Amino acid sequence: QQQVRQSPQSLTVWEGETAILNCSYEDSTFDYFPWYRLFPGESPALLIAIRPVSNKKEDGRFTIFFNKREKKLSLHITDSQPGDSATYFCAALDSNYQLIWGSGTKLIIKP
Amino acid sequence: EAGVTQSPRYAVLQEGQAVSFWCDPISGHDTLYWYQQPRDQGPQLLVYFRDEAVIDNSQLPSDRFSAVRPKGTNSTLKIQSAKQGDTATYLCASSLQGEVFFGKGTRLTVV
Repeated sequence: QQQVRQSPQSLTVWEGETAILNCSYEDSTFDYFPWYRLFPGESPALLIAIRPVSNKKEDGRFTIFFNKREKKLSLHITDSQPGDSATYFCAALDSNYQLIWGSGTKLIIKP
Repeated sequence: EAGVTQSPRYAVLQEGQAVSFWCDPISGHDTLYWYQQPRDQGPQLLVYFRDEAVIDNSQLPSDRFSAVRPKGTNSTLKIQSAKQGDTATYLCASSLQGEVFFGKGTRLTVV
């Protein structure tokens, strides 16, 4: 059973538009939700993260919206740039400090 | 602050050969993870440690893979008899209370 789900599997948006990546989870004890960005041939890089005490976290063009009641969160990338093209992973940290990974969203930004 | 350091960066082996990967986590990070990342996929946890203790190694193929972290700092992941299916990037990551940071990985090719 997948504890962290991501959608869509792939997403294409035009440069300048807002890309919205979705994530949901099963376990209400998860208390830390990082998003990682993966460029081909590189290792995952921590992009932005949120804890359930907040419903929004913003860092530049990247914003996480968090809905604890529905166990859903989303990553919004505003003013998308071609350099944002990558695979984005949502993850959740369990009580044993193990990261539970989603399956990723492949984002393509068309110039 | 130095990040997670891994070596070697690349390794090419013939089937049946052995290889060791070394990881130096961020100073002070008590949790260390080893992940296997097949090409174009997300990281898959192999084993993780809190200090020198193994917390979860259930995904580590125990017949050929082994991992140690004897002093709770550096760690070594070893493959005894490599198979072509082991071709992947091996990532080490470390964390302290949640934020997980990855090294650049070791890209292993088994021919």
